[in-house]
Amino acid sequence: GAVVSQHPSRVICKSGTSVKIECRSLDFQATTMFWYRQFPKQSLMLMATSNEGSKATYEQGVEKDKFLINHASLTLSTLTVTSAHPEDSSFYICSARGTGARTHTEAFFGQGTRLTVV
Amino acid sequence: LAKTTQPISMDSYEGQEVNITCSHNNIATNDYITWYQQFPSQGPRFIIQGYKTKVTNEVASLFIPADRKSSTLSLPRVSLSDTAVYYCLVEGSQGNLIFGKGTKLSVKP
Repeated sequence: GAVVSQHPSRVICKSGTSVKIECRSLDFQATTMFWYRQFPKQSLMLMATSNEGSKATYEQGVEKDKFLINHASLTLSTLTVTSAHPEDSSFYICSARGTGARTHTEAFFGQGTRLTVV
Repeated sequence: LAKTTQPISMDSYEGQEVNITCSHNNIATNDYITWYQQFPSQGPRFIIQGYKTKVTNEVASLFIPADRKSSTLSLPRVSLSDTAVYYCLVEGSQGNLIFGKGTKLSVKP
């Protein structure tokens, strides 16, 4: 149980275009979702935290107008990279936490999305 | 700012027991200690979680001393497939998940 599905797993886009990444909790209600970015050989960097029905809280240095996060339901959050540039190429990972006995204290991660901007 | 400190890397051989220690001097009363494993180009995977003393599951053990300022992940009889990065996180149920640098474990034949 407690599966988080992230889609797409890989995407290549042209510079200047926008890309949307979906994160779904398949068998639990995700009250909180986290979005991370990970560059090669580095750790996960938290970009933003979103609670269902509320605006996302962005970490310092993350542009909220560039990385649009929507958490409109308890099972879906999306990250849209707007006007993507090559420096946005990275591995993006979502994570979800719920309210159940297990999902309350344990976060579940998606498989990640490899974004390449050309 | 990450709340944890771990060794950057560790080497081991197949069949050995591996112990990775994490320091978390500023752990709060309501924080849990959770360890994740990450393979390249994959999302982190939960290994084990604990609050105090010892926790054991089918893949690992977690030892937490009484002061909770550190914890040790123990992997019994590692195999080549255990080569990965291991992250220790301390977090409350309402807190953000902040990752430190993790420990890159290399298991050799």
